[in-house]
Amino acid sequence: GQQVMQIPQYQHVQEGEDFTTYCNSSTTLSNIQWYKQRPGGHPVFLIQLVKSGEVKKQKRLTFQFGEAKKNSSLHITATQTTDVGTYFCAGSGNTGKLIFGQGTTLQVKP
Amino acid sequence: GAVVSQHPSWVICKSGTSVKIECRSLDFQATTMFWYRQFPKQSLMLMATSNEGSKATYEQGVEKDKFLINHASLTLSTLTVTSAHPEDSSFYICSGTKGPYEQYFGPGTRLTVT
Repeated sequence: GQQVMQIPQYQHVQEGEDFTTYCNSSTTLSNIQWYKQRPGGHPVFLIQLVKSGEVKKQKRLTFQFGEAKKNSSLHITATQTTDVGTYFCAGSGNTGKLIFGQGTTLQVKP
Repeated sequence: GAVVSQHPSWVICKSGTSVKIECRSLDFQATTMFWYRQFPKQSLMLMATSNEGSKATYEQGVEKDKFLINHASLTLSTLTVTSAHPEDSSFYICSGTKGPYEQYFGPGTRLTVT
């Protein structure tokens, strides 16, 4: 079945450093979504990418969707302590179901 | 906005008993609701997809007789864990959709079976 792989699993950075998490799907996706989950909290929707090669920015966050619609990345510029949490990508195929990646847990040292 | 609530937020039950978890979309009608479980430091695993007025569709490996899902209205879905065992202890999260893509997640229910 469809699988979504996400790396790295953990990332520790110094405040101010950049951070990137990568997501790869075994099949072509109709769209990919990114969520952030704070410790003890629930996933919160960040963004959705639909078009091949799409790039979207939200302040210090840059999201990319690959040309083949099988991979995606989230890049955070100049991390802050408020960026701490687990970032999940979630891919949707033609069934509409979301398949979540394993998540990347970001720790930021002040 | 799109707010989803879950009740209870946490529950402790004895092995062999059943537990019902409610998921409500507070300010929108959720055409579809999803139930996930999340073990500590792991990802969300989809358990089932629920559409109002019809039977839920369960993912492979999820026992439909153990995890009973009822989607009685466009704003309410319930998950009942029947004859719970310690291995059922987990974080159960529901989500609702009002459009084709974005899912709105509830705050989750932490179930502990002793």
